Amino acid sequence: QKEVEQDPGPLSVPEGAIVSLNCTYSNSAFQYFMWYRQYSRKGPELLMYTYSSGNKEDGRFTAQVDKSSKYISLFIRDSQPSDSATYLCAMTTQGRDDKIIFGKGTRLHILP
Amino acid sequence: SAVISQKPSRDICQRGTSLTIQCQVDSQVTMMFWYRQQPGQSLTLIATANQGSEATYESGFVIDKFPISRPNLTFSTLTVSNMSPEDSSIYLCSVDGLGTEAFFGQGTRLTVV
Repeated sequence: QKEVEQDPGPLSVPEGAIVSLNCTYSNSAFQYFMWYRQYSRKGPELLMYTYSSGNKEDGRFTAQVDKSSKYISLFIRDSQPSDSATYLCAMTTQGRDDKIIFGKGTRLHILP
Repeated sequence: SAVISQKPSRDICQRGTSLTIQCQVDSQVTMMFWYRQQPGQSLTLIATANQGSEATYESGFVIDKFPISRPNLTFSTLTVSNMSPEDSSIYLCSVDGLGTEAFFGQGTRLTVV
């Protein structure tokens, strides 16, 4: 079983819809969870950063972590065509020197 | 967050040649990281570069193939040596944030023909 699983998509939704992106993981030691957005021909850009379980909201974006299920989600409300990108989940353990493990990324298309 | 400049942004190279990728950060950082992003694959850590010491390579990556320099706290280079088409990928430079998050440069898209 891979450490981090993420559906590669593509996921196409109409403008204005709520988007749900998800990752599952196997290592219960992961404590820090991140979502990155990557536009074509650009490097990944940090969107959300959460510690342990719970929700975190930033504008139209909500990150949710369920450690009991080893499942994390990113919700995008009122989706816009500019949200079209690849979204990568990432996670790491407590130690600052520990590696960050990335999902493969989900390609998202918001249809105008 | 740090501003990371990476160059070249893209290149097409002949097999058997080498390419050196440069990464410049706008602030001093202890560690810099080099990742590879192959199509349909996760970001994979190649090595960690500390200033003043040899880079630490991950399993499957060796110094002869991916020599790294870290001459100061704001700059690093990654060389992809003796390239083959399998080395075609995006190469990314990264630094740590205040916590455990990572920040990335814009990447170098390498095509080996």
